[in-house]
Amino acid sequence: AQTVTQSQPEMSVQEAETVTLSCTYDTSESDYYLFWYKQPPSRQMILVIRQEAYKQQNATENRFSVNFQKAAKSFSLKISDSQLGDAAMYFCAYGHSGGGADGLTFGKGTHLIIQP
Amino acid sequence: NAGVTQTPKFRILKIGQSMTLQCAQDMNHNYMYWYRQDPGMGLKLIYYSVGAGITDKGEVPNGYNVSRSTTEDFPLRLELAAPSQTSVYFCASSYAQGEISPLHFGNGTRLTVT
Repeated sequence: AQTVTQSQPEMSVQEAETVTLSCTYDTSESDYYLFWYKQPPSRQMILVIRQEAYKQQNATENRFSVNFQKAAKSFSLKISDSQLGDAAMYFCAYGHSGGGADGLTFGKGTHLIIQP
Repeated sequence: NAGVTQTPKFRILKIGQSMTLQCAQDMNHNYMYWYRQDPGMGLKLIYYSVGAGITDKGEVPNGYNVSRSTTEDFPLRLELAAPSQTSVYFCASSYAQGEISPLHFGNGTRLTVT
């Protein structure tokens, strides 16, 4: 079974600074998908960014980017120019290829605090 | 377009009571899921469905039942509620299109069993 590990229960960063959240995963598959979800205090789960394992290029979405290291099975999230609205729980998630019928496997999350 | 709608938002149950958590999506998604989120534990899959009439167990199915009579609805039934079922429950859906698509989540139901 796949596992997703987020080794940082909590991270703190000054507003406007850059922070990197770590994620590692374990799989024997070569084709899969990785996601970062954000959960603010409102409890809503919001997709931040996704990465297809077959793509070598790291995904970016505005201030959010990933460092995908397939051989190391590492998928970190970098948030640039941190804003107060970025404060949330961040979950890394893994999905099988082929449609992902059996859902995603989630890490335990990292609580991100933004210091004003 | 409401997305994924979950009801109720909050509920308190006594031990041994039963209830159904409702989930509906209006995006014509094939796949639907129920997750539970415990503090510090991430999300764990309870049940999932790949289409009307088809359901399957996830990682933590004990104490729960589901049905999928329509594409839109995927209710989760708790029989004989136990304190261990105190959690936040999320329903999610996705569209099967050959490659995996992101999950679209409802806003969750906070359930307390006392």
